[in-house]
Amino acid sequence: TQLLEQSPQFLSIQEGENLTVYCNSSSVFSSLQWYRQEPGEGPVLLVTVVTGGEVKKLKRLTFQFGDARKDSSLHITAAQPGDTGLYLCAGAQADSWGKLQFGAGTQVVVTP
Amino acid sequence: GAVVSQHPSRVICKSGTSVKIECRSLDFQATTMFWYRQFPKQSLMLMATSNEGSKATYEQGVEKDKFLINHASLTLSTLTVTSAHPEDSSFYICSARGLVPGTQYFGPGTRLLVL
Repeated sequence: TQLLEQSPQFLSIQEGENLTVYCNSSSVFSSLQWYRQEPGEGPVLLVTVVTGGEVKKLKRLTFQFGDARKDSSLHITAAQPGDTGLYLCAGAQADSWGKLQFGAGTQVVVTP
Repeated sequence: GAVVSQHPSRVICKSGTSVKIECRSLDFQATTMFWYRQFPKQSLMLMATSNEGSKATYEQGVEKDKFLINHASLTLSTLTVTSAHPEDSSFYICSARGLVPGTQYFGPGTRLLVL
């Protein structure tokens, strides 16, 4: 069973539309990461959130960490074809030596 | 972000041979590295945690005698797939633990195909 439930599994939208990806758990995380991965490459770190209620913005991407540090969301405004990829959330728990629990991933496809 | 490299990027081998994959942290010292396996259209599956100067810690279900991990220096960890079989074909990715708790920096991955 996946410790982190990520939804939706697949998202196909037109260029210019907005999208939100969710990452939920019943467990508390000391930090949560979002990665984007393209085919045949390793994941690239987008952001790390550590404080409950924290909101971080990276250009058109907005990341939110839930108040209880159990869930997170990624919102993309005015999506572009370059945003296409597999988005992965990953949480670290205290005393886990940095081990990450990964969500199943959300495949995002943005068509022109 | 930190830079992690992997070598080789792709390898094709015959069944029964052993394959070594290198993971290097290029611009920082990584006391802890992680090895993952990823199947098509799936998320990453942690195989083992590699600590510099000590034995690796393997996840449940991962055969330590089949997937040998060595972390001899602060910048290099190696994964050797011994007596590889077609079912070992996969995308293997390493990562290095960053200074910010929970942060990991990933290598570009190694595509292994066992014939």
